[in-house]
Amino acid sequence: EAGVTQFPSHSVIEKGQTVTLRCDPISGHDNLYWYRRVMGKEIKFLLHFVKESKQDESGMPNNRFLAERTGGTYSTLKVQPAELEDSGVYFCASSQGTGWDTEAFFGQGTRLTVV
Amino acid sequence: AQSVTQLGSHVSVSEGALVLLRCNYSSSVPPYLFWYVQYPNQGLQLLLKYTSAATLVKGINGFEAEFKKSETSFHLTKPSAHMSDAAEYFCAVRLSGDSWGKLQFGAGTQVVVTP
Repeated sequence: EAGVTQFPSHSVIEKGQTVTLRCDPISGHDNLYWYRRVMGKEIKFLLHFVKESKQDESGMPNNRFLAERTGGTYSTLKVQPAELEDSGVYFCASSQGTGWDTEAFFGQGTRLTVV
Repeated sequence: AQSVTQLGSHVSVSEGALVLLRCNYSSSVPPYLFWYVQYPNQGLQLLLKYTSAATLVKGINGFEAEFKKSETSFHLTKPSAHMSDAAEYFCAVRLSGDSWGKLQFGAGTQVVVTP
């Protein structure tokens, strides 16, 4: 069974440009999450989709970030325009079912560098 | 305020020695607690989780963790370190005041195993 897949693995863009990150969850997982780790800091929650609906987007830093999950399958996270402080590793995770003890399966992450 | 604290950003252990990674949470209500590991160039992988069924939790690869409510701790241990244990380890919590899908992570502890 394929795990959570993220594209691209690395991205280097200039400040002011747009970048779109993609996440393919494990097949059948209704829950999809985005997290971010800025250099030297902890991994921070961005948002949680249940199918195509945003369950919790309390961690989205500002309106330059737009997450979508059309059709409840893969998800994209667009940053427009990118700023230097957006650099970091963006992780996607997915899980099946609901519950406080649900295991989230993580992808390898996309390392975004804004120069 | 930090919800989960990991003491020590870097830990060096000798092969065969005890591995002890510390995690403390700040919550009046015991949360759901998780330990994840990230091996180089891989995504985060669940080691174990505490869900109130038992205070001593056994995970994969010989790791275990003990939940101590009086100390608000969930320290991770392994009796004998192996070279393959070199990785970054993350303690994470789900707090009752958050949405159920949201994980809050500690800053991570990088483990180096020396021969």
